[in-house]
Amino acid sequence: GQNIDQPTEMTATEGAIVQINCTYQTSGFNGLFWYQQHAGEAPTFLSYNVLDGLEEKGRFSSFLSRSKGYSYLLLKELQMKDSASYLCAVRDPYNQAGTALIFGKGTTLSVSS
Amino acid sequence: GAGVSQSPSNKVTEKGKDVELRCDPISGHTALYWYRQSLGQGLEFLIYFQGNSAPDKSGLPSDRFSAERTGGSVSTLTIQRTQQEDSAVYLCASSLQGSGNEQFFGPGTRLTVL
Repeated sequence: GQNIDQPTEMTATEGAIVQINCTYQTSGFNGLFWYQQHAGEAPTFLSYNVLDGLEEKGRFSSFLSRSKGYSYLLLKELQMKDSASYLCAVRDPYNQAGTALIFGKGTTLSVSS
Repeated sequence: GAGVSQSPSNKVTEKGKDVELRCDPISGHTALYWYRQSLGQGLEFLIYFQGNSAPDKSGLPSDRFSAERTGGSVSTLTIQRTQQEDSAVYLCASSLQGSGNEQFFGPGTRLTVL
């Protein structure tokens, strides 16, 4: 079956670094996405990993290990506006449309001052 | 300029009624997806349109759900004889093509079935 696991909630303080983990078990793999979703808003794209390793984009970095079925999103220099839900999603070429995303339930990050 | 738009933003209906939800994708995007986000659950794939190909309906939860995409652009998701368990946020996303590309999401329609 298809399964994507990520912690339900995390808390951190402004200026800190936080790592949100995601593990997946899918029948196939064709890329992993991280999205940010503020309450009541649309998810917005953060990162895409298809090969192993670290992708850095400003304060956000995303890491992938395909052999371990594992990814993490690293947020540095946290700001209050980073309080949001972070969604891990995998594209499984053997599932349904083959391009639709399978989402985890999301990790709600609360940043305090 | 636009991003993906959806209407209505909120819909409250009575059990047993039919509802129609609309999605306007980004101009030029050939792929369009519908997802459902229930409270405490991850986004759940419903249906996928790619160009003029037959849609992939494998995610639709029951035959009460249907969708169409006219002229390769606007899409309508129809739920017939709504049930309380249909209450959720329905999100539409579009992308340039079916594979390898970022999906851009609309703001969603919050459906409440009383």
